[in-house]
Amino acid sequence: DIQMTQSPSTLSASVGDRVTITCRASQSISSWLAWYQQKPGKAPKLLIYKASDLESGVPSRFSGFWSGTEFTLAINSLQPDDFATYYCQQYNNYPWTFGQGTKVEIK
Amino acid sequence: QLQLQESGPGLVKPSETLSLTCTVSGGSVTSSSHFWGWIRQPPGKGLEWIGSIYYSGNTYYNPSLESRVVISVDTSKNQFSLRLSSVTAADTAVYYCARHGNIVVVPGAKGFDSWGQGTLVTVSS
Repeated sequence: DIQMTQSPSTLSASVGDRVTITCRASQSISSWLAWYQQKPGKAPKLLIYKASDLESGVPSRFSGFWSGTEFTLAINSLQPDDFATYYCQQYNNYPWTFGQGTKVEIK
Repeated sequence: QLQLQESGPGLVKPSETLSLTCTVSGGSVTSSSHFWGWIRQPPGKGLEWIGSIYYSGNTYYNPSLESRVVISVDTSKNQFSLRLSSVTAADTAVYYCARHGNIVVVPGAKGFDSWGQGTLVTVSS
C-alpha cells in the first residue's frame, strides 16, 4: 500500500495567515493526489485534484503544488471559514489511501 | 446536480452483516468516467477507503477489508450497495458513499468529487 504521511497533524493560525500542509507519498503517485476539507459533522469536500487543479467553486486562495512525492496544500489569507480538518488522498494505486489529516485551529 | 444518499440500519449487532445502499440522483452509475465508492470514518478518526465499483461490475477493495466486503451495483435503480460481514465494534463509523473519477478514461480525473451526507453505523449488541 502507498502510505501518505501528512504534516503537521495540528496547525494553529490566525485569520489572514498563509498556511501550508504537506503530504509525502511512500512511492511515486505521479500527480494523482486530491485534497479535501472536512468540517465537523459534514462530508469531506474536494478542494484540489490532480495535485494542483482547483475544483470548481473553491476559492482561489487555495492552491496545490508538488515536487516528486511531496505534495503541498497552501491557503493564502486564511479566512474564518477555513478552520477545518484537511486530508490528502492518493488515487494512483489501489488501495486508495488518505493522509492522517491536519486540523487547522484558530490561534 | 449530482446527489448521493446513503440508507440502511444505524445499528448492527456484532458478527452480523452491515448493509448500506447509496442512491444516486442527478447522474448515472453507468457513467464510464467514474467509479462509485464507499469510505468510512470512525468517530474522531481519519478517512478509510473501503472499496469502489465500476458500472461494468468490476470491483476494487481495500485489502484490509477485502475478505468481508462486497460492493454491488444496480443500474436499474441507479444505486450501489455495500455489505460488510462479521462486524465488530471496530467497524463503528460514519459510512460515506461517493463518486470518483476514472484516471484511465479521464485525463484530468478528480478524486471523490461528490459525497453523500454520511450515515453513522454503530456495532453493538
